[in-house]
Amino acid sequence: DGGITQSPKYLFRKEGQNVTLSCEQNLNHDAMYWYRQDPGQGLRLIYYSQIVNDFQKGDIAEGYSVSREKKESFPLTVTSAQKNPTAFYLCASSPLKGRAGANVLTFGAGSRLTVL
Amino acid sequence: AQKITQTQPGMFVQEKEAVTLDCTYDTSDQSYGLFWYKQPSSGEMIFLIYQGSYDEQNATEGRYSLNFQKARKSANLVISASQLGDSAMYFCAMREGSANTGFQKLVFGTGTRLLVSP
Repeated sequence: DGGITQSPKYLFRKEGQNVTLSCEQNLNHDAMYWYRQDPGQGLRLIYYSQIVNDFQKGDIAEGYSVSREKKESFPLTVTSAQKNPTAFYLCASSPLKGRAGANVLTFGAGSRLTVL
Repeated sequence: AQKITQTQPGMFVQEKEAVTLDCTYDTSDQSYGLFWYKQPSSGEMIFLIYQGSYDEQNATEGRYSLNFQKARKSANLVISASQLGDSAMYFCAMREGSANTGFQKLVFGTGTRLLVSP
């Protein structure tokens, strides 16, 4: 079955440490995204990528970094510069060409990061 | 700047009844898209329904329908015949700009928690 795999599901980190969240998709989607979700809030866009080796900052990119070396993979690194990294992180993907209108985002199951 | 407002933090409904979840939006774009996603306790976001700004008919997908009132800038989700499995968070989201670009930058609301009781 096609889908998006995020790992790990739960991650604990000490302050000052970098951590990388994995996101792999086998949907052959061109675009990939990282969102952050905090309690009581909607999703906020961190980074997105439309093609391999290219990515753009979203609304809350500070303290995060990404890479897109393969179409299938879009890992997110939460760096020590991120002041409040405890959150739920969701990866998503979408086609760039498809039926007119709803190029729907498909989401992974998420990774919950807790900073101790 | 685009904005999505969901004013209902929580809603209760009895099984088999219909429920409406409210969503209003603000945009200066003429072309935009509106989505509803469901997030069960497992955390994954599940796509429910889509409405394009130029679509003349209200979107329907099974038990889900979208009550699109363009002049009022509202895109309410109607769930008919609620089931226990419908208990979840529901998010309204809006896409900036034309669908033809393919890229989907979505702005999300804060969500509504729906609880379906037996």
